[in-house]
Amino acid sequence: IQMTQSPSSLSASVGDTVTITCRTSQGIRNDLGWYQQKPGKAPKLLIYGASTLQTGVPSRFSGSGSGTYFTLTISSLQPEDFATYYCLQDYNYPVCAFGQGTKVEIK
Amino acid sequence: EVQLVQSGAEVKKPGESLTISCKGSGYRFSSYWIGWVRQMPGKGLEWMGITYPTDSDTRYSPSFQGQVTISADTSISTAYLYWSTLKASDTAIYYCATLDVRTGGDYWGQGTLVTVSS
Repeated sequence: IQMTQSPSSLSASVGDTVTITCRTSQGIRNDLGWYQQKPGKAPKLLIYGASTLQTGVPSRFSGSGSGTYFTLTISSLQPEDFATYYCLQDYNYPVCAFGQGTKVEIK
Repeated sequence: EVQLVQSGAEVKKPGESLTISCKGSGYRFSSYWIGWVRQMPGKGLEWMGITYPTDSDTRYSPSFQGQVTISADTSISTAYLYWSTLKASDTAIYYCATLDVRTGGDYWGQGTLVTVSS
């Protein structure tokens, strides 16, 4: 299954809403999650099952999609949200694959 | 509290062998798949492979098949990543993780930096 995450990077301001997309070459139901990674840290799961917010994750993060098209939306971007985000699909669990990553930078 | 604690940073020469480890605690280690993820300097996350400690069922990404060996020892709740012949291109941070995006039971180690240089 090929994964295409876009954009590779984006610049945004505090308070903006940003959307990151992940497309797969075949349908994967909702077997997808979204991670946030900050420099020098391990990735942190934000969303699982395409749209379920992980415990403790702020509600400004949301995920949607199924099949081949998925989005991660961050509403009202906060300073701590500047990081790199990755999608991960596990349709053929336990075999998984990551998207290429999206770096969210401060404008 | 679930924890995955990885072994410390390593500096090795090309051609040497290496095993890094990941010790789980706070959960039933033998009952959950545990995988390894590579992150080369300044690059993205790459899924390497995953093992089920109870029966040693192990799957690899085609990119890593034959390049590394993943295993686990249930008696000490520890997973391993092994290289028989390191290359400079193996320089990276390696994370162990349960990688569960279906139920949210997703836990990561702190990462192990492996530097391969002559």
